[in-house]
Amino acid sequence: GDSVTQMEGPVTLSEEAFLTINCTYTATGYPSLFWYVQYPGEGLQLLLKATKADDKGSNKGFEATYRKETTSFHLEKGSVQVSDSAVYFCALSDRGGAQKLVFGQGTRLTINP
Amino acid sequence: DAGVIQSPRHEVTEMGQEVTLRCKPISGHDYLFWYRQTMMRGLELLIYFNNNVPIDDSGMPEDRFSAKMPNASFSTLKIQPSEPRDSAVYFCASRVRQGNTEAFFGQGTRLTVV
Repeated sequence: GDSVTQMEGPVTLSEEAFLTINCTYTATGYPSLFWYVQYPGEGLQLLLKATKADDKGSNKGFEATYRKETTSFHLEKGSVQVSDSAVYFCALSDRGGAQKLVFGQGTRLTINP
Repeated sequence: DAGVIQSPRHEVTEMGQEVTLRCKPISGHDYLFWYRQTMMRGLELLIYFNNNVPIDDSGMPEDRFSAKMPNASFSTLKIQPSEPRDSAVYFCASRVRQGNTEAFFGQGTRLTVV
């Protein structure tokens, strides 16, 4: 079945550091790809998405590019802030009607001032 | 819109008791999903509904779990009897029918079974 593998956490960085969180997927067909973020005590919020190969999703300084050849969707940010501390989930959805989400295991990110 | 609303936010119950989790999806959304989040297994899809009809419940772990959606604005997830290994955060999410749209998540119910 479809699956998503994320970089092991937790990740701890200093403010203004460069961030990369790796994500690779296995899927039949051509899924849509997502990054969701979960702040402490909150539900998941969509951070960005890409629906076809070579698409780049971006939001709040975060970017990720849908790479079909490497089946990857790595999350990057050039300069992180303390407020970016959260758990980040990579996910894919199939092309079926419901477009069910399959999540990676999540990566906990802590940014120190 | 207030978003997806779940209640209660926290639930502590004794083993063997019945637990009911509630969800109000965003108005106009066609799909409703129930997920469970644990440290060991991450986020797992338990069941989803399309226009109030259960479509796929293959993720429901045992017969102790059941879910209903009596109308477009309300769904429940029931565990009877509850066990300590059911302790987790349960999320409800909803989305519209149109493709490539995001799912919106509630804030979750943290269930602790002692």
